[in-house]
Amino acid sequence: DGGITQSPKYLFRKEGQNVTLSCEQNLNHDAMYWYRQDPGQGLRLIYYSQIVNDFQKGDIAEGYSVSREKKESFPLTVTSAQKNPTAFYLCATSRVLAGELFFGEGSRLTVL
Amino acid sequence: DQQVKQNSPSLSVQEGRISILNCDYTNSMFDYFLWYKKYPAEGPTFLISISSIKDKNEDGRFTVFLNKSAKHLSLHIVPSQPGDSAVYFCAASAINAGGTSYGKLTFGQGTILTVHP
Repeated sequence: DGGITQSPKYLFRKEGQNVTLSCEQNLNHDAMYWYRQDPGQGLRLIYYSQIVNDFQKGDIAEGYSVSREKKESFPLTVTSAQKNPTAFYLCATSRVLAGELFFGEGSRLTVL
Repeated sequence: DQQVKQNSPSLSVQEGRISILNCDYTNSMFDYFLWYKKYPAEGPTFLISISSIKDKNEDGRFTVFLNKSAKHLSLHIVPSQPGDSAVYFCAASAINAGGTSYGKLTFGQGTILTVHP
């Protein structure tokens, strides 16, 4: 089945620890994105990547890092520098940059 | 700076009636607009889109209207069904205009739609 797989679905971490969220796609889409959802704030763009080995900061990139070593994979690391990491994180892909987005099921990160 | 705004956090309608969800934007570079539907603990799914060269796009029960001069778009759902109850996000992008908005979808805050049987 073609799709976007995010893991883990739920993650609990202690304050000060880095965590990495996985996003894998088999849609053969070039562009991949990470969004964050907070109540009452909609979806905000963290990072996006148009092509392998290239990525750009979104609107709220501080405290996050990404890599794009393979077309299929775009992992997001939430570092200890991120002040409010507890949120619902969504990975998305599109055939080309600025195209229609397809979303994964999301990962809920809770920092204790 | 909220470039895409959905000023109604929630909307409640009766089954069979029309649901109208509104969205305003401020960035005149936006030329492509989309609506996404989201259920709790799931990723959003694409519903309908409209390019700035059109003022209306229809797909079954869903119609999106675009008023470029007012920088306003709306989603009409007719007739509304209980299964339509979800959060609806409006999103905008600049495809042809380029600039700093190119390649990025900017989302509104979302409107929670509840359709009562």
